[in-house]
Amino acid sequence: GESVGLHLPTLSVQEGDNSIINCAYSNSASDYFIWYKQESGKGPQFIIDIRSNMDKRQGQRVTVLLNKTVKHLSLQIAATQPGDSAVYFCAEYSMEYGNKLVFGAGTILRVKS
Amino acid sequence: EPEVTQTPSHQVTQMGQEVILRCVPISNHLYFYWYRQILGQKVEFLVSFYNNEISEKSEIFDDQFSVERPDGSNFTLKIRSTKLEDSAMYFCASRLPPGQSLYSPLHFGNGTRLTVT
Repeated sequence: GESVGLHLPTLSVQEGDNSIINCAYSNSASDYFIWYKQESGKGPQFIIDIRSNMDKRQGQRVTVLLNKTVKHLSLQIAATQPGDSAVYFCAEYSMEYGNKLVFGAGTILRVKS
Repeated sequence: EPEVTQTPSHQVTQMGQEVILRCVPISNHLYFYWYRQILGQKVEFLVSFYNNEISEKSEIFDDQFSVERPDGSNFTLKIRSTKLEDSAMYFCASRLPPGQSLYSPLHFGNGTRLTVT
């Protein structure tokens, strides 16, 4: 069925440390993945995406890793800052799902100063 | 940077009343979406819209829901007879059509908080 899940609902990190947020997806046919950040009272904000023909993609302070063998996606945030505190969602896209993104449950990231 | 805008930011309505949530997608985008998020839960797909018709809809999107693109800029979600369980954040999103990259991300507005009393 349609299922994108996150194992850790809350992650607390110290300012300046690196953060790793994990996501397990269930549909092996998914071929496009996106990480979104959602701050309180706002809509999901695009962070980074990756196609299934890649296993790593880097942005500014963020890296997404894709392991298709175990259907696992991760978001790495370098030098985490207080402004990174938010809920992070992974979302997957598959032609099987039609013209929509399917969101995971979300992980709360708390950055301690 | 262009963005998706939604109005109103907060809508309070009584059970059984009709509501219309409004969205202005990014101007050169061609796919439009509505998602909803019940407090503390994940973002759920409602409906996608392309070329002036619904392309996908979820089980949530029953006969009480409808979407419309009344002109070249607005995209609306109507709930005909609201229920208590319709209380949620409703997000509009849009994206470019698949081009050379085939896939493009959805860009979301900041949502309308719907409270049904």
